[in-house]
This record gives sequence, C-alpha cells and structure tokens, in this order.
Amino acid sequence: SYVLTQPPSVSVAPGQTARITCGGNNIGGKSVHWYQQKPGQAPVLVVCDDWERPSGIPERFSGSNSGNTATLTISRVEAGDEADYYCHVWDSGSDHRCVFGGGTKLTVL
Amino acid sequence: EVQLVEAGGGLVQPGGSLRLSCAASGFTVSTNYMSWVRQAPGKGLEWVSFIYNDYSGGSTYHADSVRGRFTISRDNSKNTLYLEMDSLRTEDTATYYCARVSRGGTYYFDYWGQGTLVTVSS
Repeated sequence: SYVLTQPPSVSVAPGQTARITCGGNNIGGKSVHWYQQKPGQAPVLVVCDDWERPSGIPERFSGSNSGNTATLTISRVEAGDEADYYCHVWDSGSDHRCVFGGGTKLTVL
Repeated sequence: EVQLVEAGGGLVQPGGSLRLSCAASGFTVSTNYMSWVRQAPGKGLEWVSFIYNDYSGGSTYHADSVRGRFTISRDNSKNTLYLEMDSLRTEDTATYYCARVSRGGTYYFDYWGQGTLVTVSS
C-alpha cells in the first residue's frame, strides 16, 4: 500500500517560515491535500490539490508537490498556527485507497 | 452553512456492536460523497469508509482493517450518514469523524464533524 512519510515535529520562531514535508513514491504524480488539527478539534482543510487554498484560509499557507516530496509552507508563522498537520492522497481507483501521512506537530517557539 | 454532527459513540465490550450517525445540514447527503475517518487516542488519522452519491450508484468502500465488520450507509430522508460497527476490537477505539468528500477532480475532505468517541474495552 502507498505510504506517506512526514517528520514527527517541526519547530519555528514566530514570523519565520515553516516547511512541512510529505514523502511518497512519485508523489508528484498525485494530488496532495493538507489538514490542520488543533488539540481537541476536528481537522480543517488548509491546502487541496497540491497548492489550492480553500476559502477562508490565509495566503500564508501554500503548497507544492514534485518528485517524491510534497511540501506545506506556512509563511510568517503565528502562535495560532501551532497544530498537527497531515498530508493526504486519495487513489480513487478500483478500491479507493485513501492514505494519510503520520502527521507533523508544528511548534511555534 | 455546512454542518456535520456525529452521535452514537460510547463504551462497548470487545465483540460488541455500535451504530454511529452523522446528521448533515446545509447540504444534501444523497448528492454528495461521504466518508468516515477515525483517530485513535494520541495517533494520526485513518480513513475508514466511503460512499458514493446516488447519482454515482451509491457504491461503498472500506479500509482493509474494518472490511467485513463495518458498513457505511445513509438515510436520505433523514439526511444522515451511518456507520454500523460489528465485531468490535480494542484497536477500534478512536474518535470517529464523518466528513464530506469534495466532488471536484480529486477527492479530499472539505468539511468534518466534531467527532464521536468509541471506546472498546472490557
């Protein structure tokens, strides 16, 4: 089955740029989506289709995807961005394989 | 406004059964793709089940870990999604989220409920 690999944690100072990676075999050929989950809350979609931002998501959130790595970039990080972030791909083929990365805890120092 | 409200979680013994429900508002379940995703305590997200809308035939799909034990369904008259869980195991302990699946070119979860906790323990 398809595996997505994320670093367990990323730390960044306020105002700096955070980059969270998601590795997968030829992930650049797939559409990658990203979710933010704060403690005790449901996940929220922050980036879809590699780089699209849903309505209401700040422009500080962006995504890219190429080769074997997709990246979620958060610019000008704020304290409120501290959360777990999950990447996600969906193979809508014959048996619908839906895969999440293991999640990355973003800590704002 | 799109809202999803899960219910039905609780404590159940191993081997038991439980039915979760997810009441939708702000959109029609029958015309959308829907899914269940779970999260074990302190762990990551795990996809559980998926159902197509009526127009696409309503086919259902389940993760290997629950296939044959869990069944996703919906009641269009109640605009509600369900997850019937049988032969529950301790490893099924998790918060279960229902989520709407986007109907664009690719599939992703654009709206989530707040979740309902299922604890399987003797």
